[in-house]
Amino acid sequence: AQSVTQLGSHVSVSEGALVLLRCNYSSSVPPYLFWYVQYPNQGLQLLLKYTSAATLVKGINGFEAEFKKSETSFHLTKPSAHMSDAAEYFCAVSAPDTGRRALTFGSGTRLQVQP
Amino acid sequence: GAGVSQSPSNKVTEKGKDVELRCDPISGHTALYWYRQSLGQGLEFLIYFQGNSAPDKSGLPSDRFSAERTGGSVSTLTIQRTQQEDSAVYLCASSSQGTVGENIQYFGAGTRLSVL
Repeated sequence: AQSVTQLGSHVSVSEGALVLLRCNYSSSVPPYLFWYVQYPNQGLQLLLKYTSAATLVKGINGFEAEFKKSETSFHLTKPSAHMSDAAEYFCAVSAPDTGRRALTFGSGTRLQVQP
Repeated sequence: GAGVSQSPSNKVTEKGKDVELRCDPISGHTALYWYRQSLGQGLEFLIYFQGNSAPDKSGLPSDRFSAERTGGSVSTLTIQRTQQEDSAVYLCASSSQGTVGENIQYFGAGTRLSVL
């Protein structure tokens, strides 16, 4: 079984500041990990994914995430926040080796960007 | 179409009525998923279709929920005898078969269901 924990349901940063959204996973097999973003009244959009290649993954809109097996973490970062980054962010895990392809999502982190 | 299309975007119904939610996946995608997003439960997996294989129904919360996928394309999620706790946003996603590492799911904008 796999699970995801996102620490902090709300994160507020100033425009131009570092964004750090935390995600820890639990998986019985090597996981595939994803970050999705959801803007109001829209579906989820993929930011980036980790599928056992490079541990530092670069995504869209300047976001990146680093897979750390020793810490079972996959934190999302962006060096400089922009007002347009305000949204809800979801970390998700998939363990395809188990035959189950559905994603297990974290509870989400709402990012606010202050001017 | 260019993306996953869901209809209706909003649905208001009375308790006890049946509802049908529709999902039109990205053309050529063989896998289709339904999720439910609610305030109390976050994002939950409901059901998964892959090609002609038997669907994975392990996430359906009760026998009032069912889904079908006709012709390997459009899917309909049906909720019978709706209850107030069914109020949520129902999201559909699709993905290409590809390798397991390519399991990128593309989401529709969802159907917001309100049960009065």
